[in-house]
Amino acid sequence: GQQVMQIPQYQHVQEGEDFTTYCNSSTTLSNIQWYKQRPGGHPVFLIQLVKSGEVKKQKRLTFQFGEAKKNSSLHITATQTTDVGTYFCAVTPNFGNEKLTFGTGTRLTIIP
Amino acid sequence: DGGITQSPKYLFRKEGQNVTLSCEQNLNHDAMYWYRQDPGQGLRLIYYSQIVNDFQKGDIAEGYSVSREKKESFPLTVTSAQKNPTAFYLCASRERRTSSYNSPLHFGNGTRLTVT
Repeated sequence: GQQVMQIPQYQHVQEGEDFTTYCNSSTTLSNIQWYKQRPGGHPVFLIQLVKSGEVKKQKRLTFQFGEAKKNSSLHITATQTTDVGTYFCAVTPNFGNEKLTFGTGTRLTIIP
Repeated sequence: DGGITQSPKYLFRKEGQNVTLSCEQNLNHDAMYWYRQDPGQGLRLIYYSQIVNDFQKGDIAEGYSVSREKKESFPLTVTSAQKNPTAFYLCASRERRTSSYNSPLHFGNGTRLTVT
């Protein structure tokens, strides 16, 4: 089945430092989605990337899709305590299949 | 408001009993999903359904069963055959894909199942 690895598994940063999580797939992806899950909550959709090399920004968050469409990254600039949570990438196989596989996730904790 | 309702929020069962988790959505979504999340872990796909009266096994379907008799409902039964049923169960739905664009998943608040 689809293999989706995220690194690192955990990241502890001082408030104000930057944070990056990486998502790596064993196969070429048609697109990739990113979700955030706050402690005790459910995942919430952040963004979707479709095109090779695509870069999208949401305030302090920058999302990038690799040129080969096998990897992606999420970068947060100047972290804040509200960024705490687990960040997941999620991928689907080829068009026509609704199966959505989540990455292993990166748990971010902020040291005030 | 449209959304996904999972009930109950907490569920306790004795080992050897089957238990059914409810998931209802009023978003008019065709596709529905069940994921399992263990403490500190990611989401693993149990079953998903692309349309009424149809469903497919996910990555960890053993010990679980589902039905999709109505568009709005996708109940999950955790059977006694599931060896480690204690977990956080999340139901989700989304519109079906029509192009390379995937609709985002909308999640319910989850059900925490404890089996002793």
